[in-house]
Amino acid sequence: NAGVTQTPKFQVLKTGQSMTLQCAQDMNHNSMYWYRQDPGMGLRLIYYSASEGTTDKGEVPNGYNVSRLNKREFSLRLESAAPSQTSVYFCASSRAHEQFFGPGTRLTVL
Amino acid sequence: GENVEQHPSTLSVQEGDSAVIKCTYSDSASNYFPWYKQELGKGPQLIIDIRSNVGEKKDQRIAVTLNKTAKHFSLHITETQPEDSAVYFCAASGTDTGRRALTFGSGTRLQVQP
Repeated sequence: NAGVTQTPKFQVLKTGQSMTLQCAQDMNHNSMYWYRQDPGMGLRLIYYSASEGTTDKGEVPNGYNVSRLNKREFSLRLESAAPSQTSVYFCASSRAHEQFFGPGTRLTVL
Repeated sequence: GENVEQHPSTLSVQEGDSAVIKCTYSDSASNYFPWYKQELGKGPQLIIDIRSNVGEKKDQRIAVTLNKTAKHFSLHITETQPEDSAVYFCAASGTDTGRRALTFGSGTRLQVQP
């Protein structure tokens, strides 16, 4: 069991470039989440998917889009990256209450 | 929406001492309160959680208490060890499907001095 996996681990983008962060879980969980973590702050919810086929905005959705490709995979897309999106991004999944987190993607936007 | 405040932001204790981290929340509908430990370069990992129908929960050296009336909950670590050094986050959420997304506190960096 790999749990929650995220790719890539590190990424550097220029302002205006686009990219997709990938997340997959092998625990057969219904719900998946994307958070960002900035220095001195807790994790903030970007988008979540309560079940396959549904997605909902979280606290900080502007500048992001998501796709729940199937039960296992939940991707996060930055269409036109901005320096304010420099952050560490975490994907998580849950069946009930406990959320399991991936190792994170460290993104820098220059 | 929910707002979770966490104190202190940093905490330094001697090995063997106890550490206490406190959180308050704003949404009286929240009924699930987990605590996560995050080590450097890793994702958060659940260490203990409590639901609103319980006032206290223990797991070996860690315990969590909840006061629903005052809307605050605390993490207690006894007999601290150097490997307890990490950043700890509290969080809150509802438990029905649409409200399970977590709202996190800002974190406490715990350093245990050998």
